[in-house]
Amino acid sequence: EPEVTQTPSHQVTQMGQEVILRCVPISNHLYFYWYRQILGQKVEFLVSFYNNEISEKSEIFDDQFSVERPDGSNFTLKIRSTKLEDSAMYFCASNIGLAEETQYFGPGTRLLVL
Amino acid sequence: RKEVEQDPGPFNVPEGATVAFNCTYSNSASQSFFWYRQDCRKEPKLLMSVYSSGNEDGRFTAQLNRASQYISLLIRDSKLSDSATYLCVVAGSNYQLIWGAGTKLIIKP
Repeated sequence: EPEVTQTPSHQVTQMGQEVILRCVPISNHLYFYWYRQILGQKVEFLVSFYNNEISEKSEIFDDQFSVERPDGSNFTLKIRSTKLEDSAMYFCASNIGLAEETQYFGPGTRLLVL
Repeated sequence: RKEVEQDPGPFNVPEGATVAFNCTYSNSASQSFFWYRQDCRKEPKLLMSVYSSGNEDGRFTAQLNRASQYISLLIRDSKLSDSATYLCVVAGSNYQLIWGAGTKLIIKP
């Protein structure tokens, strides 16, 4: 069964550093998402992406964040200058279309900012 | 008022028992409703969608009451493997998923 994959599984970085989290969505999917989950808290929507542009973003997704689909398979989330409060689990998800119910989630990247 | 509200639990339930979770949502324009399951430090996984007419999948039954903005999940004959956090998720007209904080379920032998 096809899966969403994410790398790295864990990332430790110093405050102020840039990080890039990588995702490979399921190959025939057209919509891509990033979510984050701070330890012990709820899952929060960050951004959705379709047709090479952002379709929706939340208040959390400020100028420090950017997304890109650099090639036909990868979907990346960049945090330009990490803050302590960016420490969280970051999940990538994809689905075929907005009308399709199921978003398929990757296993997540655990980011720790020191 | 929180957009999606759930009792955080934990619910401690003996194996074989029936357990019910509830969830309320604030946006009456919400279009789609789901229950996800999340194991500790893992990604959320879709358990089932929730339809207006109610739907059942094996031991799991989901109900939606649009008038009261209320969603429920019933688990019958609970098993040890049902121990997890159950997340109520609501999607608006833009299909953006809004997540509840989850209800933790612990099934005891």
